[in-house]
Amino acid sequence: DAGVIQSPRHEVTEMGQEVTLRCKPISGHDYLFWYRQTMMRGLELLIYFNNNVPIDDSGMPEDRFSAKMPNASFSTLKIQPSEPRDSAVYFCASSSRRNAEAFFGQGTRLTVV
Amino acid sequence: KQEVTQIPAALSVPEGENLVLNCSFTDSAIYNLQWFRQDPGKGLTSLLLIQSSQREQTSGRLNASLDKSSGRSTLYIAASQPGDSATYLCAVRGDAGGTSYGKLTFGQGTILTVHP
Repeated sequence: DAGVIQSPRHEVTEMGQEVTLRCKPISGHDYLFWYRQTMMRGLELLIYFNNNVPIDDSGMPEDRFSAKMPNASFSTLKIQPSEPRDSAVYFCASSSRRNAEAFFGQGTRLTVV
Repeated sequence: KQEVTQIPAALSVPEGENLVLNCSFTDSAIYNLQWFRQDPGKGLTSLLLIQSSQREQTSGRLNASLDKSSGRSTLYIAASQPGDSATYLCAVRGDAGGTSYGKLTFGQGTILTVHP
């Protein structure tokens, strides 16, 4: 398996633009997590899904953020409109129910100017 | 709400030393605990996974222990090398009956530097 795949790896956008981050989990995994990492706050859990259903989105900072998982092999995190304070590295991770070991993608480095 | 704390925040040691990184968590209702390594500008690499029923796991020069009832885990690195320099992160997966069921909660990490 290729592991968790995220795209794009880097994104630079202007304030006010819509940004969509993409994630392909490991095949067969039924949990998917979205995290944001900054120097100040470390790794923050934004939202996680089980069997494509959002279970806890209490970490989503505000209504500008939304996440979807239309099927078991794809998820998106959307920011609309983006702001400079959204600049961070966004990670996607997946795990199976059986042993629940989490595997991370390489992340998307988002810069909002 | 589960909180995970890692001590020390940073550690600098000479090559060859054995060292211990500490992780503590506030809610003992965990499903498992996982140690990760993160190199600068990179993603997280899983090092060791300990299920809640286990006491320790070993991989090469790494040994992780878990004391679930006291909310503690340690990562022991034997004979450290410059290539071990990275940030080490501890994460706990919440179990049913706890405050963070299903969530994977991270500590702030320990930045390790091993100098030649």
